Amino acid sequence: KAGVTQTPRYLIKTRGQQVTLSCSPISGHRSVSWYQQTPGQGLQFLFEYFSETQRNKGNFPGRFSGRQFSNSRSEMNVSTLELGDSALYLCASSLSSNQETQYFGPGTRLLVL
Amino acid sequence: SQQGEEDPQALSIQEGENATMNCSYKTSINNLQWYRQNSGRGLVHLILIRSNEREKHSGRLRVTLDTSKKSSSLLITASRAADTASYFCATERGAQKLVFGQGTRLTINP
Repeated sequence: KAGVTQTPRYLIKTRGQQVTLSCSPISGHRSVSWYQQTPGQGLQFLFEYFSETQRNKGNFPGRFSGRQFSNSRSEMNVSTLELGDSALYLCASSLSSNQETQYFGPGTRLLVL
Repeated sequence: SQQGEEDPQALSIQEGENATMNCSYKTSINNLQWYRQNSGRGLVHLILIRSNEREKHSGRLRVTLDTSKKSSSLLITASRAADTASYFCATERGAQKLVFGQGTRLTINP
Protein backbone atom coordinates (compact mmCIF):
# COMPACT_ATOMS: atom_id res chain seq x y z
CA LYS A 1 0.00 0.00 0.00
CA ALA A 2 1.19 3.48 -0.75
CA GLY A 3 1.85 5.64 2.26
CA VAL A 4 0.46 9.04 3.13
CA THR A 5 1.37 11.60 0.51
CA GLN A 6 1.51 15.35 0.92
CA THR A 7 1.81 18.05 -1.70
CA PRO A 8 3.61 20.26 -2.20
CA ARG A 9 6.72 19.24 -0.25
CA TYR A 10 8.10 22.76 -0.08
CA LEU A 11 6.43 26.12 -0.33
CA ILE A 12 7.52 29.74 -0.02
CA LYS A 13 4.92 32.43 0.56
CA THR A 14 4.89 36.04 1.72
CA ARG A 15 3.05 37.55 4.65
CA GLY A 16 -0.63 38.14 4.01
CA GLN A 17 -0.95 35.46 1.36
CA GLN A 18 -2.92 32.29 1.79
CA VAL A 19 -1.84 28.70 1.22
CA THR A 20 -3.51 25.35 0.65
CA LEU A 21 -1.80 22.09 1.50
CA SER A 22 -3.00 18.68 0.37
CA CYS A 23 -2.89 15.25 1.95
CA SER A 24 -3.83 11.86 0.51
CA PRO A 25 -4.23 9.21 3.22
CA ILE A 26 -3.39 5.55 2.99
CA SER A 27 -5.99 3.73 0.94
CA GLY A 28 -8.88 2.73 3.18
CA HIS A 29 -8.02 5.19 5.93
CA ARG A 30 -10.87 7.55 6.69
CA SER A 31 -9.38 9.71 9.43
CA VAL A 32 -6.92 12.48 8.62
CA SER A 33 -5.20 14.65 11.21
CA TRP A 34 -2.97 17.67 10.72
CA TYR A 35 -0.07 18.78 12.90
CA GLN A 36 2.23 21.79 12.87
CA GLN A 37 5.87 21.37 13.86
CA THR A 38 8.08 24.33 14.75
CA PRO A 39 11.38 24.49 16.64
CA GLY A 40 9.81 26.60 19.37
CA GLN A 41 6.43 24.95 19.93
CA GLY A 42 7.22 21.42 18.79
CA LEU A 43 4.49 19.23 17.36
CA GLN A 44 1.00 20.60 17.83
CA PHE A 45 -2.33 19.15 16.78
CA LEU A 46 -4.32 21.29 14.35
CA PHE A 47 -7.47 19.31 13.53
CA GLU A 48 -8.86 15.94 12.58
CA TYR A 49 -11.33 15.01 9.88
CA PHE A 50 -13.35 11.84 9.60
CA SER A 51 -15.97 11.13 6.96
CA GLU A 52 -15.78 14.73 5.72
CA THR A 53 -16.53 16.13 9.18
CA GLN A 54 -14.18 17.92 11.53
CA ARG A 55 -14.05 15.76 14.64
CA ASN A 56 -11.48 17.54 16.75
CA LYS A 57 -9.69 20.86 16.72
CA GLY A 58 -6.55 22.14 18.39
CA ASN A 59 -5.84 25.59 19.76
CA PHE A 60 -5.15 27.45 16.56
CA PRO A 61 -6.75 30.66 15.26
CA GLY A 62 -9.52 30.62 12.70
CA ARG A 63 -7.00 31.41 9.96
CA PHE A 64 -6.28 27.70 9.97
CA SER A 65 -9.01 25.64 8.38
CA GLY A 66 -9.39 22.35 6.64
CA ARG A 67 -11.73 20.06 4.84
CA GLN A 68 -12.01 16.47 3.76
CA PHE A 69 -13.41 15.11 0.55
CA SER A 70 -15.49 12.01 -0.05
CA ASN A 71 -12.37 10.07 -1.10
CA SER A 72 -10.80 10.94 2.31
CA ARG A 73 -8.25 13.30 0.80
CA SER A 74 -7.85 16.37 2.93
CA GLU A 75 -6.71 19.93 2.48
CA MET A 76 -5.73 22.52 5.00
CA ASN A 77 -5.76 26.23 4.34
CA VAL A 78 -3.99 29.04 6.12
CA SER A 79 -5.16 32.54 5.31
CA THR A 80 -3.39 35.83 5.95
CA LEU A 81 -0.05 34.15 6.53
CA GLU A 82 2.21 35.37 9.32
CA LEU A 83 5.94 34.83 9.73
CA GLY A 84 5.21 32.51 12.65
CA ASP A 85 3.30 30.16 10.37
CA SER A 86 6.61 28.98 8.94
CA ALA A 87 6.67 25.32 9.92
CA LEU A 88 6.59 21.72 8.84
CA TYR A 89 2.97 20.69 8.39
CA LEU A 90 2.39 17.00 8.87
CA CYS A 91 -0.63 15.00 7.88
CA ALA A 92 -1.44 11.65 9.47
CA SER A 93 -4.04 9.07 8.61
CA SER A 94 -5.66 6.20 10.45
CA LEU A 95 -8.37 3.70 9.69
CA SER A 96 -10.86 5.36 11.96
CA SER A 97 -11.07 8.17 14.44
CA ASN A 98 -10.66 5.62 17.23
CA GLN A 99 -7.55 3.97 15.88
CA GLU A 100 -4.66 4.90 18.09
CA THR A 101 -1.70 4.56 15.72
CA GLN A 102 -1.35 7.27 13.13
CA TYR A 103 0.63 7.03 9.91
CA PHE A 104 2.40 10.21 8.95
CA GLY A 105 3.24 11.71 5.59
CA PRO A 106 6.60 13.36 4.80
CA GLY A 107 5.24 16.82 5.52
CA THR A 108 5.05 20.13 3.70
CA ARG A 109 7.67 22.66 4.70
CA LEU A 110 6.23 26.16 4.53
CA LEU A 111 8.40 29.25 4.66
CA VAL A 112 6.69 32.60 5.09
CA LEU A 113 8.78 35.63 4.17
CA SER B 1 0.72 22.52 25.30
CA GLN B 2 3.05 19.58 25.69
CA GLN B 3 1.83 16.50 27.49
CA GLY B 4 5.10 14.62 27.41
CA GLU B 5 8.55 15.80 28.34
CA GLU B 6 11.46 13.84 26.99
CA ASP B 7 14.77 13.54 28.72
CA PRO B 8 17.49 14.04 27.68
CA GLN B 9 16.89 16.60 24.94
CA ALA B 10 19.96 15.33 23.11
CA LEU B 11 21.96 12.12 23.36
CA SER B 12 25.14 11.15 21.54
CA ILE B 13 26.53 7.61 21.80
CA GLN B 14 28.84 5.25 19.96
CA GLU B 15 27.51 2.70 17.53
CA GLY B 16 26.78 -0.55 19.31
CA GLU B 17 25.93 1.08 22.64
CA ASN B 18 22.45 1.19 24.11
CA ALA B 19 20.39 4.36 24.13
CA THR B 20 17.79 5.18 26.76
CA MET B 21 15.28 7.99 26.49
CA ASN B 22 12.71 8.95 29.07
CA CYS B 23 9.31 10.56 28.83
CA SER B 24 7.14 12.01 31.56
CA TYR B 25 3.52 13.04 31.17
CA LYS B 26 0.99 14.89 33.25
CA THR B 27 -2.46 13.35 33.00
CA SER B 28 -3.80 9.79 33.08
CA ILE B 29 -3.51 7.94 29.80
CA ASN B 30 -4.98 4.99 27.92
CA ASN B 31 -1.76 4.39 26.05
CA LEU B 32 1.58 5.94 25.22
CA GLN B 33 3.28 5.80 21.86
CA TRP B 34 6.81 6.37 20.64
CA TYR B 35 7.58 7.81 17.22
CA ARG B 36 10.81 8.42 15.33
CA GLN B 37 11.51 11.33 13.00
CA ASN B 38 14.46 11.43 10.63
CA SER B 39 15.83 14.89 9.89
CA GLY B 40 12.65 16.97 9.55
CA ARG B 41 10.63 14.32 7.76
CA GLY B 42 7.45 12.53 8.72
CA LEU B 43 7.07 10.54 11.89
CA VAL B 44 7.27 6.77 11.99
CA HIS B 45 5.32 4.85 14.61
CA LEU B 46 7.60 2.62 16.68
CA ILE B 47 5.58 1.10 19.47
CA LEU B 48 2.43 1.55 21.53
CA ILE B 49 2.14 0.52 25.17
CA ARG B 50 -1.20 0.45 26.96
CA SER B 51 -1.78 1.72 30.46
CA ASN B 52 -2.19 -1.83 31.80
CA GLU B 53 1.14 -2.94 30.35
CA ARG B 54 4.49 -2.45 32.09
CA GLU B 55 6.90 -3.47 29.36
CA LYS B 56 6.82 -4.14 25.65
CA HIS B 57 9.44 -5.28 23.14
CA SER B 58 9.75 -4.83 19.39
CA GLY B 59 13.01 -5.96 17.83
CA ARG B 60 15.79 -3.88 19.40
CA LEU B 61 13.27 -1.62 21.13
CA ARG B 62 12.13 -2.01 24.71
CA VAL B 63 9.54 0.31 26.20
CA THR B 64 8.53 0.48 29.83
CA LEU B 65 5.62 2.32 31.38
CA ASP B 66 5.20 3.34 35.01
CA THR B 67 1.76 4.86 35.42
CA SER B 68 2.35 5.61 39.12
CA LYS B 69 5.25 7.88 38.16
CA LYS B 70 3.63 8.96 34.89
CA SER B 71 6.77 8.06 32.99
CA SER B 72 7.96 5.85 30.17
CA SER B 73 11.34 4.89 28.80
CA LEU B 74 12.50 3.78 25.38
CA LEU B 75 15.61 1.62 25.17
CA ILE B 76 17.32 0.98 21.85
CA THR B 77 19.85 -1.82 22.12
CA ALA B 78 22.93 -2.31 19.94
CA SER B 79 22.48 1.08 18.27
CA ARG B 80 23.24 1.60 14.59
CA ALA B 81 24.00 4.71 12.56
CA ALA B 82 20.52 4.44 11.03
CA ASP B 83 19.01 4.99 14.49
CA THR B 84 20.15 8.63 14.35
CA ALA B 85 16.87 10.54 14.57
CA SER B 86 14.59 12.41 16.94
CA TYR B 87 12.36 10.32 19.17
CA PHE B 88 9.02 11.51 20.50
CA CYS B 89 6.61 10.13 23.01
CA ALA B 90 2.94 10.87 22.44
CA THR B 91 -0.24 10.44 24.39
CA GLU B 92 -3.86 10.93 23.50
CA ARG B 93 -5.64 13.68 25.31
CA GLY B 94 -9.28 13.85 24.38
CA ALA B 95 -9.89 16.17 21.48
CA GLN B 96 -6.19 16.87 21.11
CA LYS B 97 -5.58 13.51 19.46
CA LEU B 98 -1.84 12.94 19.84
CA VAL B 99 0.04 15.29 22.16
CA PHE B 100 3.79 15.08 21.67
CA GLY B 101 6.75 15.87 23.85
CA GLN B 102 9.63 17.99 22.63
CA GLY B 103 11.63 14.94 21.65
CA THR B 104 15.10 13.50 22.20
CA ARG B 105 17.62 14.04 19.45
CA LEU B 106 19.73 10.87 19.23
CA THR B 107 23.05 10.80 17.39
CA ILE B 108 24.87 7.53 16.81
CA ASN B 109 28.59 8.02 16.14
CA PRO B 110 30.39 5.44 13.97
